[in-house]
Amino acid sequence: KAGVTQTPRYLIKTRGQQVTLSCSPISGHRSVSWYQQTPGQGLQFLFEYFSETQRNKGNFPGRFSGRQFSNSRSEMNVSTLELGDSALYLCASSLYGAKNIQYFGAGTRLSVL
Amino acid sequence: DQQVKQNSPSLSVQEGRISILNCDYTNSMFDYFLWYKKYPAEGPTFLISISSIKDKNEDGRFTVFLNKSAKHLSLHIVPSQPGDSAVYFCAASESARQLTFGSGTQLTVLP
Repeated sequence: KAGVTQTPRYLIKTRGQQVTLSCSPISGHRSVSWYQQTPGQGLQFLFEYFSETQRNKGNFPGRFSGRQFSNSRSEMNVSTLELGDSALYLCASSLYGAKNIQYFGAGTRLSVL
Repeated sequence: DQQVKQNSPSLSVQEGRISILNCDYTNSMFDYFLWYKKYPAEGPTFLISISSIKDKNEDGRFTVFLNKSAKHLSLHIVPSQPGDSAVYFCAASESARQLTFGSGTQLTVLP
């Protein structure tokens, strides 16, 4: 069974640009969550999608948005990039009601210059 | 306000000895706890979990202990192996909602 796939693996953008990251969950998983990891901050929850609906949202500004498609694939978008948005963005998928055991992708490393 | 805290950013242990990683939490509504391991350039990998109705869960070399009165969680690895060297994150959830992660502890197992 294929794992969680995130594309691209690396991205370099400049301030003010926007970026879209993609996540394909494990087949059969309907929940997709996004996290931001920065040094010393652990994983900060961004949002969770289930059946194309945002179910939970973390404490991030409106520049961070996401969506989920009917095949459970998800995208997140960051508009008007700031230097502080440089981070590893991780996507995780899980079965609905599976006690929240989430399976992570390798992440997208975003660098904002 | 960090609801899940890992106060030790790093830990070094000799191969074959016990590794003890600690985690504290402040939200008494958390009812499910997990440990994840992360190698460089990879996503976190689920290791072991425990429900708040238990105080111990064991899986091979890994044991998680939960002390609800102290709001403290620990992961024991016995015996430690060089391949265990990684960053370990503890995480907690309330009523199967999103996970709240600690900041991680870098474990180094010395041969």
